[in-house]
Amino acid sequence: QKEVEQNSGPLSVPEGAIASLNCTYSDRGSQSFFWYRQYSGKSPELIMSIYSNGDKEDGRFTAQLNKASQYVSLLIRDSQPSDSATYLCAVDTGRRALTFGSGTRLQVQP
Amino acid sequence: ETGVTQSPTHLIKTRGQQVTLRCSSQSGHNTVSWYQQALGQGPQFIFQYYREEENGRGNFPPRFSGLQFPNYSSELNVNALELDDSALYLCASSTGQGANLGPVAFFGQGTRLTVV
Repeated sequence: QKEVEQNSGPLSVPEGAIASLNCTYSDRGSQSFFWYRQYSGKSPELIMSIYSNGDKEDGRFTAQLNKASQYVSLLIRDSQPSDSATYLCAVDTGRRALTFGSGTRLQVQP
Repeated sequence: ETGVTQSPTHLIKTRGQQVTLRCSSQSGHNTVSWYQQALGQGPQFIFQYYREEENGRGNFPPRFSGLQFPNYSSELNVNALELDDSALYLCASSTGQGANLGPVAFFGQGTRLTVV
């Protein structure tokens, strides 16, 4: 079992819709959780971090964490074509490194 | 802009050669981590340096080695290059205090290495 799992996609949503990206992780001791956005040919860009159960909102982005279910999600409201990218979920398992999923490719259709 | 600068941006090497990649940390950051991202995959942790000492290592062979300098800049060296070493190499820096070194979260622009 992979430590961090994401659906590879592509996830296709129309412009203006809500995009929902999901991630599960295997290490119950994980403390910190991150979402990165990566455009093709570019390096990952941190967009959200979350450390406690519940929701955290930042502009059009909402991160949700459920440690009991070992589940992290990212919601993008009012999706724009510029949101089309690969979204990487990353988990800090306390080993001084981030463990990444393989990413979900999001396509926002104009 | 994260303040982390990597060089070169692109590099082509032949199998069996050696390569050195460089990273300039964000000012004040004393911890640097290196990641390898193969095409279609998430980044994989190679190693981390804190105050010039290796502070953690992922599942990479010894031919992957590193250095951190007193000004906290860093190098990643790869010997005996293999075709599978073709990837985007990412550097990230952060501050760290003693044993409480959190994960780094901000990456440089990366170096695209192609091994032929």
